[in-house]
Amino acid sequence: GAGVSQSPSNKVTEKGKDVELRCDPISGHTALYWYRQSLGQGLEFLIYFQGNSAPDKSGLPSDRFSAERTGGSVSTLTIQRTQQEDSAVYLCASSLTSGTAYEQYFGPGTRLTVT
Amino acid sequence: AQTVTQSQPEMSVQEAETVTLSCTYDTSESDYYLFWYKQPPSRQMILVIRQEAYKQQNATENRFSVNFQKAAKSFSLKISDSQLGDAAMYFCAYRRPLAGTYKYIFGTGTRLKVLA
Repeated sequence: GAGVSQSPSNKVTEKGKDVELRCDPISGHTALYWYRQSLGQGLEFLIYFQGNSAPDKSGLPSDRFSAERTGGSVSTLTIQRTQQEDSAVYLCASSLTSGTAYEQYFGPGTRLTVT
Repeated sequence: AQTVTQSQPEMSVQEAETVTLSCTYDTSESDYYLFWYKQPPSRQMILVIRQEAYKQQNATENRFSVNFQKAAKSFSLKISDSQLGDAAMYFCAYRRPLAGTYKYIFGTGTRLKVLA
C-alpha cells in the first residue's frame, strides 16, 4: 500500500504566522511520530502518538508547538507565531506496535522556511 | 539518557570499494534496538538494516552488514561493492525496547559520497 505522506512538501511563511503540517501514516499503523531535522543536525524527536493520545510529547520545544491526531490516522503539527529558528525539515513516521522491532517508516518531510 | 554519536560528518568511497561508517552509543540498558537509515536527497528515510541487542550475530542485508560490539557500544555499518546510488546521508538510531518509549534517538549523520 501507500507509504507515509506529508503535506505540504515545502512551506515558506513569514515570521509570526501560524503553520499547519499534515501527516498521513501507513494504514493500520497505530503509532505516529514527529521529528525535526535542522540543517546539519540529526533528527530531533518531537512527539509520539499511540492511537489518538500522545504519551510522549517531551520533545516539543515550546508551547508554540502542538500536535493532534484524529481517528487514529491523520496527524497535524501546528506551529504558532513562527520564528526563524523553526526553519527545518519536519519528518513524520509511523509504525506498528505489534511485533518486536517496531521499525518506523518515514514520510518525505515538509521543509519549513520562516522568513 | 541515551545518546548516539556519529563522529564522521562525511566519508568518501570509490565505486565498487568498501566503506565503514561508525556509530557509538551510550546506554545503561541491556536490551535495545539499533538501526541504520539512509536519507538520499529526496529526504525519504529508508531503513537499511537493524540489529537487536540480544542477538550476538551481526545483521546483514545484501551488500550492507554491521559490526555490533555490545561491550564497546559500537554499531558500525559496512557497505561492500559501493554503488553510485549509495550516496546519501546515513543515520544511526537507537530505540529502547520498552512499551511506551518507541521514539528513536538519532546520531547527527554521515554524508557518504561515492566517486565514479
